[in-house]
Amino acid sequence: DIVMTQTPLSSPVTLGQPASISCRSSQSLVHSDGNAYLSWLQQRPGQPPRLLIYKISNRFSGVPDRFSGSGAGTDFTLKISRVEAEDVGVYYCMQATQFPWTFGQGTKVEIK
Amino acid sequence: QVQLVQSGAEVKKPGASVKVSCKASGYTFTNYYVSWVRQAPGQGLEWMGWISPYNDNTNYAQKLQGRVTMTTDTSTSTAYMELRSLRSDDTAVYYCARVAYCSGGNCHGDYWGQGTLVTVSS
Repeated sequence: DIVMTQTPLSSPVTLGQPASISCRSSQSLVHSDGNAYLSWLQQRPGQPPRLLIYKISNRFSGVPDRFSGSGAGTDFTLKISRVEAEDVGVYYCMQATQFPWTFGQGTKVEIK
Repeated sequence: QVQLVQSGAEVKKPGASVKVSCKASGYTFTNYYVSWVRQAPGQGLEWMGWISPYNDNTNYAQKLQGRVTMTTDTSTSTAYMELRSLRSDDTAVYYCARVAYCSGGNCHGDYWGQGTLVTVSS
């Protein structure tokens, strides 16, 4: 199985400041079709996961443009340009290039 | 709008079975796989498997093979996940998710249910 490793595991951020989360995969996530099936999920406290980003950098419907994804191969990043109070929660990267789907351990974003 | 509404919390004894439902609305049920993901208390996300409501094609995580069965009822647009021989480490919140299809296959869960807490305790 592909192992997904996120850093940091905790990220205290000041409101209005940027935040960045890294995700590294144990193998390249480039599929034979040329796409990399790396997505980012947000889980607010007490809520189900919510899709933010898919295929590295595509924002899902309704996701604010302060969220952006980038990367290639085995290294990926989620950036929040200006953290708002509603962004508090745990963020997970997930790969679907290779069966089975696997998730990172999660990164907790909290307000300083 | 797309919605996935799951059944309520369950408490089961070790060795018992549980069946969780996930009722879909707002889209054509047979056009999308449904995946199941679980989350133990305070832990991360674990993919369990998926099912196609169109042809009942399934794929299960290897560690759950033999204990999990996923089914669908297209007449009610409902997906089900049954887990047997429950153990204490099966205590978790179980989520269903609609699976988006990309050119390379099933590529991410785009809409998620609210979750169902299953507690296994003697």
